[in-house]
Amino acid sequence: KNQVEQSPQSLIILEGKNCTLQCNYTVSPFSNLRWYKQDTGRGPVSLTIMTFSENTKSNGRYTATLDADTKQSSLHITASQLSDSASYICVVSGGFGNEKLTFGTGTRLTIIP
Amino acid sequence: DARVTQTPRDKVTEMGQEVTMRCQPILGHNTVFWYRQTMMQGLELLAYFRNRAPLDDSGMPKDRFSAEMPDATLATLKIQPSEPRDSAVYFCASGSKHRDGNTEAFFGQGTRLTVV
Repeated sequence: KNQVEQSPQSLIILEGKNCTLQCNYTVSPFSNLRWYKQDTGRGPVSLTIMTFSENTKSNGRYTATLDADTKQSSLHITASQLSDSASYICVVSGGFGNEKLTFGTGTRLTIIP
Repeated sequence: DARVTQTPRDKVTEMGQEVTMRCQPILGHNTVFWYRQTMMQGLELLAYFRNRAPLDDSGMPKDRFSAEMPDATLATLKIQPSEPRDSAVYFCASGSKHRDGNTEAFFGQGTRLTVV
């Protein structure tokens, strides 16, 4: 069964600190992996999308890594800001052009001043 | 500023009533998805369409749920009859296939459904 597991479930860090969120998946075949940010009461917004040939991709203070061999991904947030408080969802797409996405349950990140 | 528009934003209804949720995809996007999000299950794919044709609705309870695209600017998700366990946030997303074969999905703000 295709699964995406994220850790930790929730995380609280001080403003300005860095943090890393983890994602392990068992989706096969694999097409791409995405990280979404979802603010409370809003729809998810894409941060990064990586295919199996990409190891790292950055979007501002967000850097995602992908190890397709171990089926692991991480999202690193640098110099966190209060606006980073949100749920971060790892999503894996299976098969070339396959839109059937498997979602992780997310990591709830809270930044405190 | 192109965005996916969903209506209503919030809906409270009594068990047994029909509920219709609407979605206007981003102009030019040919793929439309319906997702349901709950605290326990996270985001689940219910159905998706390409060029208005349903491609996969295996995530949807067939006896009470139906999804349609009457035209390219409107997608609907209907629940009849609704049950308390249907309470969730329902997201619509639209996207287009890139040259690399992958589809970027853009989400609407969701419809929060409460069935009492």
